[in-house]
Amino acid sequence: AQTVTQSQPEMSVQEAETVTLSCTYDTSESDYYLFWYKQPPSRQMILVIRQEAYKQQNATENRFSVNFQKAAKSFSLKISDSQLGDAAMYFCAYRSGLETSGSRLTFGEGTQLTVNP
Amino acid sequence: NAGVTQTPKFQVLKTGQSMTLQCAQDMNHEYMSWYRQDPGMGLRLIHYSVGAGITDQGEVPNGYNVSRSTTEDFPLRLLSAAPSQTSVYFCASSYFGGPNEQYFGPGTRLTVT
Repeated sequence: AQTVTQSQPEMSVQEAETVTLSCTYDTSESDYYLFWYKQPPSRQMILVIRQEAYKQQNATENRFSVNFQKAAKSFSLKISDSQLGDAAMYFCAYRSGLETSGSRLTFGEGTQLTVNP
Repeated sequence: NAGVTQTPKFQVLKTGQSMTLQCAQDMNHEYMSWYRQDPGMGLRLIHYSVGAGITDQGEVPNGYNVSRSTTEDFPLRLLSAAPSQTSVYFCASSYFGGPNEQYFGPGTRLTVT
């Protein structure tokens, strides 16, 4: 079974600064997908960024980028120019590429990000 | 599109009571799932479905039942509520396969006393 670990329960950053959230995962599969979800106080789960394991290029979405290290099984999220609206719980998630696994997501424990003005 | 809707938003149950959490999506997604979120544990998969009439267990299925008679609806039944089922429940849906985004409902906060 796959596992996802987020070793930072809490992080904080100053507004306009850069912060990196860590995620490691364990899998024996070669085909999979990785995601970062954001959960603000409203409780709504929002997709931030996704990465296909077969792609060497790191995904980017505006101020959000990932550092995907397949051999090290690491998938960190970098938030540049942090804004007050980035304050939220962030979850790293894994999805197998096997069709027999369906679209099941395995989540990490989450990192609570605080943005200080 | 309404996306993924869940009812109710909040619920308080007494131990031993049963209830159904409703979930519906209007995006014609094949895949639907239920997660529970507990502090410090992220989201854990309860049950999922890859299409009408097909369901399977996730990581924490005990005490919960599901059925999927239509593409749109995927209700979650608590058979005999226990305090350990106090949690926030999320329904999600997506197209099947690939890096497709899973869309989440707003969640149901359930308290069992």
